[in-house]
Formats: sequence, structure tokens, C-alpha cells
Amino acid sequence: DAGVIQSPRHEVTEMGQEVTLRCKPISGHNSLFWYRQTMMRGLELLIYFNNNVPIDDSGMPEDRFSAKMPNASFSTLKIQPSEPRDSAVYFCASSRTGEVNEQYFGPGTRLTVT
Amino acid sequence: SQQGEEDPQALSIQEGENATMNCSYKTSINNLQWYRQNSGRGLVHLILIRSNEREKHSGRLRVTLDTSKKSSSLLITASRAADTASYFCATGNTGGFKTIFGAGTRLFVKA
Repeated sequence: DAGVIQSPRHEVTEMGQEVTLRCKPISGHNSLFWYRQTMMRGLELLIYFNNNVPIDDSGMPEDRFSAKMPNASFSTLKIQPSEPRDSAVYFCASSRTGEVNEQYFGPGTRLTVT
Repeated sequence: SQQGEEDPQALSIQEGENATMNCSYKTSINNLQWYRQNSGRGLVHLILIRSNEREKHSGRLRVTLDTSKKSSSLLITASRAADTASYFCATGNTGGFKTIFGAGTRLFVKA
């Protein structure tokens, strides 16, 4: 199994630009999570999906952030327009739904907004 | 807000020593998990303990859970330099999909 795949691994963009982060979860996992990690705020849950449906997006910081999961094997997190304070490492994780919710993390996307 | 709070925030020990990290949480849980994160990498699941369990072992790892005190500990025995990483506790709630992560303990094992 390839594990959770994220792309790009690194993204440098200018303030105001649109940024799209991509995630392919592990096949057979039907829960998907987007996290943001910074030194100041630690690991924050942004949104999670179950069976492609957004269940809780209360962690999405602002309307500039949006996430989609058009099918079971793909999700995107979009920031439009980006700001310097969005600079962070963004992780995608997937798990099987159920009582045991061990999560498998991708390698992350390091986003730098200048 | 974060559910789990790890203690200490940072820990530095010599190779061969044991490392103990603690986690406290606030609400009822279904299970508690520990994850490790090496610098620049994603989190890796280490061990899960259910709310009806009190202790669990996996290799050099020992996890305890005290639901009456809403706390857990992770013990790494005979530490190695390769154990240097950040360790996070995470709580899972009954019937939910969500796992809430704490701020983590940074462990440094000196060779």
C-alpha cells in the first residue's frame, strides 16, 4: 500500500494567490482529515469527511479556506486568496470509520506564503 | 480547543534511560492513542488503548490509562537516539470520527 499521498510536498506562493493542496487517501479508508501544523498553534483539525461528505468543518479558519472530496480517492484543500499567516505544514490523514479510528498521515505539504 | 495536554512539553534523556510522557484530557473518551512525529514528517500511529483497558504494551512501549483521572502515560523503555521525536496523545470519542490531538512532547535522546 502506498500510504496517504499528498501533493505538492512544498509550495511557495505570493500573498493573494490561490493555493490548492491535494490528497489521495489509503484505498478502503472512508474517513479523511485535513490538519494544519504550526509552531504556535500545534496540530489543528481543519475539516474531516466521512464517505466523501464533510462532517465537521468547524476548524476551517476562514471563508478563504475550502475543501472538497469529489470521490473516495481524492480530496483538495484550497486557500483563496492566500495570506502569509497561512504558512504552515498541511497534513492529510485517512482512517477506516468505526470504533477504532487510528489515522494514517501523509507526508504533508509545507506551504510558504510570502 | 485541544482535548489532550501532554506533559512535559520537552524531555531530554540519555540513551538507555526510560522516557515517560503524560497526557491529560477533559471529556469522556472511547479510546486514546499515541502518535510519533519525526522532524519534517507526518505522524505515525504507535498504540491505541481503549477506555476499558488500563495498560497496554507494544515492544518497548507501555501505555497506561486512568479514566477516573482522565490521564494516560507513555513509557518508552531503554530509549535509543532514534526515538528522538515529538509524541502526541490523541483522544477518540464514542460514535465519532474525530480524533483530537494534544500539543505534543518533544523527546530528545542523547547518544
